[in-house]
Amino acid sequence: ETGVTQTPRHLVMGMTNKKSLKCEQHLGHNAMYWYKQSAKKPLELMFVYSLEERVENNSVPSRFSPECPNSSHLFLHLHTLQPEDSALYLCASSQGGEGTDEKLFFGSGTQLSVL
Amino acid sequence: GQNIDQPTEMTATEGAIVQINCTYQTSGFNGLFWYQQHAGEAPTFLSYNVLDGLEEKGRFSSFLSRSKGYSYLLLKELQMKDSASYLCAVREEARAAGNKLTFGGGTRVLVKP
Repeated sequence: ETGVTQTPRHLVMGMTNKKSLKCEQHLGHNAMYWYKQSAKKPLELMFVYSLEERVENNSVPSRFSPECPNSSHLFLHLHTLQPEDSALYLCASSQGGEGTDEKLFFGSGTQLSVL
Repeated sequence: GQNIDQPTEMTATEGAIVQINCTYQTSGFNGLFWYQQHAGEAPTFLSYNVLDGLEEKGRFSSFLSRSKGYSYLLLKELQMKDSASYLCAVREEARAAGNKLTFGGGTRVLVKP
């Protein structure tokens, strides 16, 4: 148990569907992240939020829309996805600050399949 | 650009030692992290190096040489539960807002009896 909870664990959706991924952290952290993990590829950073403000958008297509209503919750809204978007989507949180040893705490991820 | 390389897969015997190498070429350097990820689970933090040298934590040790752009993770007295993927990640810059890590592809370690 890392203190970061993601739901759902598995999601199958069609290309015309709209769905949302949810992440909640119980660690009192100020920064939250979305990463994409595809088979045989490195973890790719998608978005970073610090104190509910988006501070990083790593050239992610607009069919992915993040939302951070407060420092404990993070959503990833999905619409008109493509089959190549099928991957494990990982949420993470960190304390937030300039500490060089700041660690990320990851959730178990949502395994997404786009048909 | 950024480039972080580590072997794709390694196999070792229970009780043995395995060394996972990671080389990096990044525009900046502000620390290197190792994470462990069991299949279907969250990556979990193992170690952090920002200065040259060896950091030891029980059965796991991590080494860094900044001049060579090189790190390794050493796993001693291997146990079956150590079968997992090991991810090397570099933090390129110190930031007040968020910790941006760039990950390598991960090394899948299989421990055999």
